[in-house]
Amino acid sequence: AQRVTQPEKLLSVFKGAPVELKCNYSYSGSPELFWYVQYSRQRLQLLLRHISRESIKGFTADLNKGETSFHLKKPFAQEEDSAMYYCALSGGSTLGRLYFGRGTQLTVWP
Amino acid sequence: KAGVTQTPRYLIKTRGQQVTLSCSPISGHRSVSWYQQTPGQGLQFLFEYFSETQRNKGNFPGRFSGRQFSNSRSEMNVSTLELGDSALYLCASSLVRGSDYGYTFGSGTRLTVV
Repeated sequence: AQRVTQPEKLLSVFKGAPVELKCNYSYSGSPELFWYVQYSRQRLQLLLRHISRESIKGFTADLNKGETSFHLKKPFAQEEDSAMYYCALSGGSTLGRLYFGRGTQLTVWP
Repeated sequence: KAGVTQTPRYLIKTRGQQVTLSCSPISGHRSVSWYQQTPGQGLQFLFEYFSETQRNKGNFPGRFSGRQFSNSRSEMNVSTLELGDSALYLCASSLVRGSDYGYTFGSGTRLTVV
């Protein structure tokens, strides 16, 4: 069964510190993986997709199929990074459907 | 270009009533999916439409239904509302099904059932 696990509900770091938001998944096949972000009072928006291997706002995420993980990383956190982050999975027979993790609320202190 | 538009933004309904929510996808997007977001359950998939056909359905009772029109606009309907249906309902659109470009979400409709 498809499942996305974000083990940390809350994560706090100080400005300038590295941050890593964890995401593990369960999926039989080749998944498409995404990170979505929801800033306070804003809509859910796409941050990263694994297939593009891009860096957005300094964030990167690498798909590790061996460990079935897709952790989100940023070397130097900024206050404006404070938001709710969701890891999501799609693919195969579940085409058109996103499975979301429960989200991690990141707070970056000044 | 305009994003995903959901109307209305807020709704208050009484138990037992029914409600219809509307979603206009980004122009050219043909896949529309719906999600329910609650503090207790997080983001849960309701259904997905493509080319006016329901392609995927989540684990929700039959009181939840939807449809898609030829212009890709979509509506979802909830009949016989229950208190537990209070949630933020999000619509997302994508160019095609399973697009690796991801899905663009609307701001949602906040439904409160009293």
